[in-house]
Amino acid sequence: KQEVTQIPAALSVPEGENLVLNCSFTDSAIYNLQWFRQDPGKGLTSLLLIQSSQREQTSGRLNASLDKSSGRSTLYIAASQPGDSATYLCAPASSGGSYIPTFGRGTSLIVHP
Amino acid sequence: EAGVAQSPRYKIIEKRQSVAFWCNPISGHATLYWYQQILGQGPKLLIQFQNNGVVDDSQLPKDRFSAERLKGVDSTLKIQPAKLEDSAVYLCASGRISGSPLHFGNGTRLTVT
Repeated sequence: KQEVTQIPAALSVPEGENLVLNCSFTDSAIYNLQWFRQDPGKGLTSLLLIQSSQREQTSGRLNASLDKSSGRSTLYIAASQPGDSATYLCAPASSGGSYIPTFGRGTSLIVHP
Repeated sequence: EAGVAQSPRYKIIEKRQSVAFWCNPISGHATLYWYQQILGQGPKLLIQFQNNGVVDDSQLPKDRFSAERLKGVDSTLKIQPAKLEDSAVYLCASGRISGSPLHFGNGTRLTVT
């Protein structure tokens, strides 16, 4: 059974800092890994999807890396802004046909002006 | 494109009552997922559909929860009878095919008193 751990659980930083959010998973046989953000009272918004054959994906100020063999992914946020405040969740999807994403508890991020 | 629609947004019921949630996925999306998110935790998969067939329902408490996806489009999730521990946000997500990026609705917040 896939177990997903996200560190840190919470983070509070001043605007402008570069951030690193960590995700580790126990079963390295994954098909892909998605990073999501969740705003209070809302559903999840997909940020990046990395296929198991890829090492990283970039979208604007976001960069996600994947080291499948060690069961780790990192989300890097450059030049953080107050609008980045949200909970960030990672979800590796199992390989083997069903490709079901399993979620961690997330990292709660607050970026203050 | 229109997003994933869920209703109702909020529901308050007493324990032992029944409740139903509705989800309309993005048009053309073959896969549909129901997740349960308890406060402070990551989403937990309840059931995955591929078109109108069940792919995985191993974590669905089948003594009280049921779900269907008639005609491979809309889906309903039902709880009967509800327990206090069912208080959570129920999230619906859809994907074009299995393994593609997930798109989430805003969820239904259920409170069982």
